[in-house]
Amino acid sequence: GAVVSQHPSRVICKSGTSVKIECRSLDFQATTMFWYRQFPKQSLMLMATSNEGSKATYEQGVEKDKFLINHASLTLSTLTVTSAHPEDSSFYICSARPRGASMNTEAFFGQGTRLTVV
Amino acid sequence: AQKVTQAQTEISVVEKEDVTLDCVYETRDTTYYLFWYKQPPSGELVFLIRRNSFDEQNEISGRYSWNFQKSTSSFNFTITASQVVDSAVYFCALSELYGNNRLAFGKGNQVVVIP
Repeated sequence: GAVVSQHPSRVICKSGTSVKIECRSLDFQATTMFWYRQFPKQSLMLMATSNEGSKATYEQGVEKDKFLINHASLTLSTLTVTSAHPEDSSFYICSARPRGASMNTEAFFGQGTRLTVV
Repeated sequence: AQKVTQAQTEISVVEKEDVTLDCVYETRDTTYYLFWYKQPPSGELVFLIRRNSFDEQNEISGRYSWNFQKSTSSFNFTITASQVVDSAVYFCALSELYGNNRLAFGKGNQVVVIP
């Protein structure tokens, strides 16, 4: 089946630094990838839709300057948490659907990244 | 407004018992898709089942089965003969035709299977 690889799986960083998370589709091309955030014992909240070759579409309330998304190729999207603070600590997970896939196709998820800002 | 509602937060069952998870959704689209995902403690999301809005036929796949009823906007999921490995959080999700392929998730059901 289709595989989405997310890296790193865990990261601890100091407050004020930036962290980059990568999301790769390993065996398919994805023009669109999605970034979610999940707080402990909470649901997944969509942060933004990453579009290859164009600007990301952010959900209401998500700071685009805080969470920088780059989708430079059909197999890679990156999420950079800039000037991270403890309240940014969370589980971040990406997903992708194969290029041209219909809505009926399930989204494939990365393994997730546990970010802890100290 | 919450598009997907999973009322039960945590469900505990004894191994080999059946467990049913309720999901109620809300949409104005006539074309939409419903999914169930499993999230084990490791964190990754595992796809389980899907159903489109035009197909209300209920099916069984191994120990999983689902009951889709458009009249009540419900898409319930059952695990039969539960096993300890079924312990996880289960999410119901909705994808709408005009939703740009985005998934709206419910809050999840924490299932604990007691050996």
